[in-house]
Amino acid sequence: KAGVTQTPRYLIKTRGQQVTLSCSPISGHRSVSWYQQTPGQGLQFLFEYFSETQRNKGNFPGRFSGRQFSNSRSEMNVSTLELGDSALYLCASTGTSSFVEQFFGPGTRLTVL
Amino acid sequence: AQSVTQLGSHVSVSEGALVLLRCNYSSSVPPYLFWYVQYPNQGLQLLLKYTSAATLVKGINGFEAEFKKSETSFHLTKPSAHMSDAAEYFCAVTFNTGNQFYFGTGTSLTVIP
Repeated sequence: KAGVTQTPRYLIKTRGQQVTLSCSPISGHRSVSWYQQTPGQGLQFLFEYFSETQRNKGNFPGRFSGRQFSNSRSEMNVSTLELGDSALYLCASTGTSSFVEQFFGPGTRLTVL
Repeated sequence: AQSVTQLGSHVSVSEGALVLLRCNYSSSVPPYLFWYVQYPNQGLQLLLKYTSAATLVKGINGFEAEFKKSETSFHLTKPSAHMSDAAEYFCAVTFNTGNQFYFGTGTSLTVIP
């Protein structure tokens, strides 16, 4: 099985722009979670989607949004970028078996100038 | 509230020495516990998981962890450190209710030759 894929791997934007990141989960997985990772804050949970519905949401401003498509692929969008949004954005997918571990993609490194 | 605490943001060990990375959790319900490893510029890779079966869990690369309910701990150990073990390690907890994971702040392991 192919793993979780994220595109693009690297992205450079300027303040005020918006950005869309994409995540394709492992085939058959219906849950996709997003995290922001920064050196100072560690892994911060953004949101989780299951069957096209947002099921959990972290404590981020409304500039951060996401969605999930019928094929379980997910996108997250950040509008009006700020310098502090520079981070590694990680996506993880989870299957529906009784073992609930998350499988992570390689991440998208976003740099905001 | 559910959470996980990793004691020690940086740990250094000599090659061949015991590795001990600490993780404590707080939970009002039985947890599922995980250890992940992250190498530079990569996503997180699952090392091992506790899902209420055996309390001593063996993972990949010679790592193991023991679930101790009385101490609310899930410390990660490896008898003999290898240079390739140098990485960031994250402890995580979930409760299988909506799939939200809670991650510790991570422990950076340095292996000294």
